[in-house]
Amino acid sequence: AQKITQTQPGMFVQEKEAVTLDCTYDTSDPSYGLFWYKQPSSGEMIFLIYQGSYDQQNATEGRYSLNFQKARKSANLVISASQLGDSAMYFCAMREDIMDSSYKLIFGSGTRLLVRP
Amino acid sequence: EAQVTQNPRYLITVTGKKLTVTCSQNMNHEYMSWYRQDPGLGLRQIYYSMNVEVTDKGDVPEGYKVSRKEKRNFPLILESPSPNQTSLYFCASSFADITDTQYFGPGTRLTVL
Repeated sequence: AQKITQTQPGMFVQEKEAVTLDCTYDTSDPSYGLFWYKQPSSGEMIFLIYQGSYDQQNATEGRYSLNFQKARKSANLVISASQLGDSAMYFCAMREDIMDSSYKLIFGSGTRLLVRP
Repeated sequence: EAQVTQNPRYLITVTGKKLTVTCSQNMNHEYMSWYRQDPGLGLRQIYYSMNVEVTDKGDVPEGYKVSRKEKRNFPLILESPSPNQTSLYFCASSFADITDTQYFGPGTRLTVL
């Protein structure tokens, strides 16, 4: 069963507008972390934002915010005031505990965002 | 500068010819991991290591080996590469805390003919 689901393979947004990238997850572990990464065309993976399962408030980092709805198991990324440089692939990832005090990071299939001028 | 380095960045090889992709980090991270990225599948974890001499399988370990003899290095070994291992490979590292961010290397694009 897929643990991280990103249902939007591709999206367009007009420059300066806000956009929401969807991410749903599946875990029975009460302790987990949710991450968003950006991958521009150059290929590197850039960390954007983190949300812990016990965090009471939604995470924010500059123009990025994470709309965390625990009961619905969703962790959508909101980018405000889109810029041309936001055009990239975006990955949602979940870190979950596994036995022996170790953990693994599971990625969704990604959403390609294109910002129109 | 804090970073994760990978070498080589690009590699074209032939089926069956053993190869090693090196990964090194200078942040004293306990946790290191290898991923492969394929179109439509996102990143899938190959192997990970919680600390020196501690390694474990990820979701797609078949055809790969790793070792962790030193904290800073985590090489990925393909003993007998096959065309289905053509992919973009990322090494990543972090501290061993569930909240800690994983830092990624620049990626290695491997083509197996």
